[in-house]
Amino acid sequence: EAGVTQSPTHLIKTRGQQATLRCSPISGHTSVYWYQQALGLGLQFLLWYDEGEERNRGNFPPRFSGRQFPNYSSELNVNALELEDSALYLCASSLETRSYEQYFGPGTRLTVT
Amino acid sequence: SQQGEEDPQALSIQEGENATMNCSYKTSINNLQWYRQNSGRGLVHLILIRSNEREKHSGRLRVTLDTSKKSSSLLITASRAADTASYFCATDEGGNNFNKFYFGSGTKLNVKP
Repeated sequence: EAGVTQSPTHLIKTRGQQATLRCSPISGHTSVYWYQQALGLGLQFLLWYDEGEERNRGNFPPRFSGRQFPNYSSELNVNALELEDSALYLCASSLETRSYEQYFGPGTRLTVT
Repeated sequence: SQQGEEDPQALSIQEGENATMNCSYKTSINNLQWYRQNSGRGLVHLILIRSNEREKHSGRLRVTLDTSKKSSSLLITASRAADTASYFCATDEGGNNFNKFYFGSGTKLNVKP
């Protein structure tokens, strides 16, 4: 069974640009989560999508947004990039709304210069 | 916020010894989970304990939960070099925010061969 995949692996952008990160969940999983992990810190909850809808979001500004497609894959968009957005962005999926065990992808390393 | 906090921040032990790490959180929860992160395999789910459970075992892992003290501990028995990783606890916000997860900064475990 293929795991959660994320693309690209690395992304380098300059301040003010927009970044788009992609995630494909495990086949059959309907919930997708996005987290930000800054260097040396824990994961910060960004967004939760389930059945195509945004269900919850963390304490991040509106320039962090995303969507979930009918095939349950997801996209995270970060507009007006700032230097402090540099981090590892992790995507996770779970089988359904009440399945709390999350399966994580390898992450996208975003560097903002 | 609910952010869980692991303690200690770093732990170094010899192979074969037991490793204990703790997690404290601030508000009521539905579930608490432990995850492991290393460079080779990314973030992996280890064990979930529900708020009405006090202890749970999985192989060499033993997790306890004390909801009155808002704390949990993870015990790894007979540690191996392969257990070297960062360990995170993840909590939800309780109530209807059961899918909004908070991760601590982690405990870095180093198991020396």
